[in-house]
Amino acid sequence: DTGVSQNPRHKITKRGQNVTFRCDPISEHNRLYWYRQTLGQGPEFLTYFQNEAQLEKSRLLSDRFSAERPKGSFSTLEIQRTEQGDSAMYLCASSLVGGINTEAFFGQGTRLTVV
Amino acid sequence: DQQVKQNSPSLSVQEGRISILNCDYTNSMFDYFLWYKKYPAEGPTFLISISSIKDKNEDGRFTVFLNKSAKHLSLHIVPSQPGDSAVYFCAALSGSARQLTFGSGTQLTVLP
Repeated sequence: DTGVSQNPRHKITKRGQNVTFRCDPISEHNRLYWYRQTLGQGPEFLTYFQNEAQLEKSRLLSDRFSAERPKGSFSTLEIQRTEQGDSAMYLCASSLVGGINTEAFFGQGTRLTVV
Repeated sequence: DQQVKQNSPSLSVQEGRISILNCDYTNSMFDYFLWYKKYPAEGPTFLISISSIKDKNEDGRFTVFLNKSAKHLSLHIVPSQPGDSAVYFCAALSGSARQLTFGSGTQLTVLP
């Protein structure tokens, strides 16, 4: 297992278009998180899944955002009708609940640019 | 409101000297603290952590100190190496969701 994988690494889209990102977590990890990072800031929590259940959403996650994790494996994050303010790095992380270490492992992120 | 604050956006240190990165928090419910390192165009990489029931954790060149009464933690790197140059994020965990709350990061530059 090579860690958390995110695709694509970069995405440029026109305002108003829909985009979808994919995250493949570490295989035995049951929790999957999505974060967003803008320039000069730390990552901000968007939502998380435990197995296939989406258990919490941040107020940052507007109605234009939707995330899924079918079968508790990979996850997708879709942004509809993109706006310039959506431009950011979208990070996925996974962790194993109940393990000794509770740190989350991050993917390399998807950088979204809305023009 | 920022619950985790890193007030120094940047820090420069000479190779071989000690680097001290600071972090303050406001939420008393945080029970676990972590430091992540981030290189450009990569995701954050876990570095070291500490539980709120401890005041120190050491791993090789990295030591994290926690002062609960002051709601302050620090990361010490000694000796500093040029490869340590990166952005360092302080983060905290709370609640059943175990979601991370991050500070805004400190850019560490270790000069050869």
